[in-house]
Amino acid sequence: AQSVTQLGSHVSVSEGALVLLRCNYSSSVPPYLFWYVQYPNQGLQLLLKYTSAATLVKGINGFEAEFKKSETSFHLTKPSAHMSDAAEYFCAVSDIDDMRFGAGTRLTVKP
Amino acid sequence: KAGVTQTPRYLIKTRGQQVTLSCSPISGHRSVSWYQQTPGQGLQFLFEYFSETQRNKGNFPGRFSGRQFSNSRSEMNVSTLELGDSALYLCASSLGGRQTDTQYFGPGTRLTVL
Repeated sequence: AQSVTQLGSHVSVSEGALVLLRCNYSSSVPPYLFWYVQYPNQGLQLLLKYTSAATLVKGINGFEAEFKKSETSFHLTKPSAHMSDAAEYFCAVSDIDDMRFGAGTRLTVKP
Repeated sequence: KAGVTQTPRYLIKTRGQQVTLSCSPISGHRSVSWYQQTPGQGLQFLFEYFSETQRNKGNFPGRFSGRQFSNSRSEMNVSTLELGDSALYLCASSLGGRQTDTQYFGPGTRLTVL
């Protein structure tokens, strides 16, 4: 069975600092991996997804993630945090039968 | 293009009742997936419908069911409500499927079971 672990339920960074949100997965088949963002009282919005085309995936709002098979990781990064990045972030893994989400990481951006 | 809409946005029910939630996908999208979000269990996949057929279902009891109509609109039904069914129910639509195509989420229906 596939699963996702997000390390750190809360991450706090200063505006302009590097954002690093960690995600490790387990899957018996080559996975489809996703990062979603959720703002308060809203649904999820796709940031980026990995579908085996390229290991470095660029998404919206300056985010990117690198798929590392040897480490079973798919960490999300952004070089410079903006106040508007404050939200909850979810990593997810999907196969044909199921989709599993991590517990989420709440990102706080300090001015 | 209009986004995914869910109705109602808020709902209060009592234990033992049943509830039906509605999701209207983006025009042209044939896949609708449903998710449950709770503080304790997080986000969980309920099921996916494509062209009126259920493609797959997550690990939920039979009290949770759904259907999709020919216009791709989808409904989710929960029978014999339990307190633990209180959650934000999200639906998402995509062109061909949640795995390969981008899912667009609605704002959710917040269900409270008393």
